Amino acid sequence: QLQLQESGPGLVKPSETLSLTCTVSGGSISSSSYYWGWIRQPPGKGLEWIGSIYYSGSTFYSPSLKSRVTISADTSKNQFSLKLSSVTAADTAVYYCARRDWGKYFFDYWGQGTLVTVSS
Amino acid sequence: QSALTQPPSASGSPGQSVTISCTGTSSDVGGYNYVSWYQQHPDKAPKLMIYDVSKRPSGVPDRFSGSKSGNTASLTVSGLQAEDEADYYCSSYAGSNNFVFGIGTKVTVL
Repeated sequence: QLQLQESGPGLVKPSETLSLTCTVSGGSISSSSYYWGWIRQPPGKGLEWIGSIYYSGSTFYSPSLKSRVTISADTSKNQFSLKLSSVTAADTAVYYCARRDWGKYFFDYWGQGTLVTVSS
Repeated sequence: QSALTQPPSASGSPGQSVTISCTGTSSDVGGYNYVSWYQQHPDKAPKLMIYDVSKRPSGVPDRFSGSKSGNTASLTVSGLQAEDEADYYCSSYAGSNNFVFGIGTKVTVL
């Protein structure tokens, strides 16, 4: 059974860089069959797609966040990561990692989510 | 790309039906048959309920159905049950490996 687990600091200071890691178990992020992505949800608000990475290393980012986002993968650890720079309070959210099948356009497996608060 | 428009709330009595709309543009909902719907209970991760406009993943009750007309997609929950009370989000492919989500609809079972 595929499982995704987010990890990282729960508190980040304004203007600093938010860094999160998603550890995948029960499947390989090196498979050509999947994209691995990040989605966030501010408290009490809706979902926002952040971006995805393909096994080849190709990345795709939301146009609204593209200038601040970097998604990378570490196949040796079966993990992929999110970095969001120059954060503000508006970046406070629950951050989810999720999987999408190649050639499919929906997210079928999600992590449980991790709350990141931006505050001094 | 802007968030897809959904009504903030919808409600129905047990056994009744409720329909949620999801309005986008010709660049997302109207341009692709790749609308999906997610159910989210409080403090839980979203769960896929519908994909490719009207297909149900294994294990999702057939009380859940989806459709699309033009730039608007819809999710219908028939035979409402107490456990259907949750937030529902639509999502659409927006081209170039981009995705957009809806703002969410809170469904209340009266």
